[in-house]
Amino acid sequence: NAGVTQTPKFQVLKTGQSMTLQCAQDMNHEYMSWYRQDPGMGLRLIHYSVGAGITDQGEVPNGYNVSRSTTEDFPLRLLSAAPSQTSVYFCASRRAGVETQYFGPGTRLLVL
Amino acid sequence: GNSVTQMEGPVTLSEEAFLTINCTYTATGYPSLFWYVQYPGEGLQLLLKATKADDKGSNKGFEATYRKETTSFHLEKGSVQVSDSAVYFCALDTNAGKSTFGDGTTLTVKP
Repeated sequence: NAGVTQTPKFQVLKTGQSMTLQCAQDMNHEYMSWYRQDPGMGLRLIHYSVGAGITDQGEVPNGYNVSRSTTEDFPLRLLSAAPSQTSVYFCASRRAGVETQYFGPGTRLLVL
Repeated sequence: GNSVTQMEGPVTLSEEAFLTINCTYTATGYPSLFWYVQYPGEGLQLLLKATKADDKGSNKGFEATYRKETTSFHLEKGSVQVSDSAVYFCALDTNAGKSTFGDGTTLTVKP
């Protein structure tokens, strides 16, 4: 099992550009989530999904879109990047009814 | 809403010292409580968890007890090692996929 994988590992964008952060898991987990981590702060939930075709907003959803067309994939889209979106982004997954989350290695995003 | 408050860092200890990182929470219902560890350049890894009051989670010499009366889940280790240097996050979960994390506490252990 590869677990939770994220691509790219690092990305530099200019303000206004769009991009998609990829997340995939091969554990057949129903639940997937996106978090951002900023210096000196914990993880804040952006969006989450409890199954294919079902997504919901977390604490800080503005500026981000998600979709869940398959169980395995949960991409995060930045529609028009802003410097405030400079952060480290983590994807996580877990099985329904089990509390333990498995995290990907993260994507470091810099918006200039 | 739910919230988690962790002891502010950074924390610097000598090898073999005793470690306590305080964590208190506010939540509706009966949350599950977690400690995650993040090593430099990596994602978070589950360290230990407790799912109901008075449960004790333990792993790798770390322990934490779910105290409902004080809404706390303090992390302890009797003798830290240099390899324990990392950022530690306390977290709670009451709904599927919606975890709430503390701000993290950076631990540095010196030889």
